[in-house]
Amino acid sequence: EADIYQTPRYLVIGTGKKITLECSQTMGHDKMYWYQQDPGMELHLIHYSYGVNSTEKGDLSSESTVSRIRTEHFPLTLESARPSHTSQYLCASSEYGTNYGYTFGSGTRLTVV
Amino acid sequence: KQEVTQIPAALSVPEGENLVLNCSFTDSAIYNLQWFRQDPGKGLTSLLLIQSSQREQTSGRLNASLDKSSGRSTLYIAASQPGDSATYLCAVLPVSSGSARQLTFGSGTQLTVLP
Repeated sequence: EADIYQTPRYLVIGTGKKITLECSQTMGHDKMYWYQQDPGMELHLIHYSYGVNSTEKGDLSSESTVSRIRTEHFPLTLESARPSHTSQYLCASSEYGTNYGYTFGSGTRLTVV
Repeated sequence: KQEVTQIPAALSVPEGENLVLNCSFTDSAIYNLQWFRQDPGKGLTSLLLIQSSQREQTSGRLNASLDKSSGRSTLYIAASQPGDSATYLCAVLPVSSGSARQLTFGSGTQLTVLP
């Protein structure tokens, strides 16, 4: 039972288009994360947030940007999509503190043609 | 830098077998360890979370153990079923991650349970 929701589930879009991947969580978690994962490959952290108005870049360089205006919402935007952006994007959240695990969304599979 | 290794990379077993998946990590300074399941093209589903002070956690047919001093965790699956087929990921929350609280993932074990 997911309390973190990602939309759309699948997206096929042309090169040069602007896209926003949505991520929302209903658990009141402070921390939110975006991961990128190619098929059969490892997860790579691209963005994270400590809370409202806080965003940081992750280990993997990405041309995407994020915002955190509300606790529950952490959208990811690509201003101009390219075929190299084709991948699966996974959103996750966790409570602040060290006793808590991560909860992941179902992911958005993006294909740029 | 924390590194997480999962062995084997792939495993195929007949239905009904009990099996063990292994996870090792290089730095024993962790807050917790989490096991996830990932079906093809899907997100991650959390299976078990073990705090650094705990030795094991159980959920149904799953049992995860943690030996922090030796940097090892195992995921035991009893009476495996074809529906257990998926990739299983181990992730640790290192103390070195600081306030960012970023997980370090292993590369996963791809499990196939044959009917």
